[in-house]
Amino acid sequence: AQSVTQLGSHVSVSEGALVLLRCNYSSSVPPYLFWYVQYPNQGLQLLLKYTSAATLVKGINGFEAEFKKSETSFHLTKPSAHMSDAAEYFCAVSKTSGGYQKVTFGTGTKLQVIP
Amino acid sequence: NAGVTQTPKFQVLKTGQSMTLQCAQDMNHNSMYWYRQDPGMGLRLIYYSASEGTTDKGEVPNGYNVSRLNKREFSLRLESAAPSQTSVYFCAGGTPAAYQETQYFGPGTRLLVL
Repeated sequence: AQSVTQLGSHVSVSEGALVLLRCNYSSSVPPYLFWYVQYPNQGLQLLLKYTSAATLVKGINGFEAEFKKSETSFHLTKPSAHMSDAAEYFCAVSKTSGGYQKVTFGTGTKLQVIP
Repeated sequence: NAGVTQTPKFQVLKTGQSMTLQCAQDMNHNSMYWYRQDPGMGLRLIYYSASEGTTDKGEVPNGYNVSRLNKREFSLRLESAAPSQTSVYFCAGGTPAAYQETQYFGPGTRLLVL
């Protein structure tokens, strides 16, 4: 069975500070990992995805994530938070199962950016 | 290119009423999905359609039915709404036949069942 655990349902950072959102995964096969962002009253938007081509993955809006197999982690970072980064972030793991892509989402981390 | 669209955006139902949530995509996805999102629980898969003409149950299918009308459209029906079905519903489409598929989401339908 696959799963993801997001540590911290709420994270607050000051504008300009480092953003670190934690995600640990569990998967019996090499995982495909994603980070999605959800702005208030909107759907989920893909931030980045791990394709096994490189352990450091760069996404949109200055975000990046590093795949660490030894730690079963895929933490999301951004060097300097902007007010516009305030949103909810979801880590997800997927695998092909029975002809479709079974995606398991974490419970989400709400990021608050303090001016 | 609208991506994945959903209608309606908001709906209020009384217990026992029925309704259909509509989803359409113009991204040529083979796979389509319906999820529900509840506070603190992430997204949970209700039903999916791996290709036109096929549908299968996901994690939480009870109380729902789906129809894959054609490649573009995938509807979700609540036959007899219950308060436990108050949620935000998202439709998603997936890139075809990929071993590592990315799902693209619609804007959601917010449903309140009284």
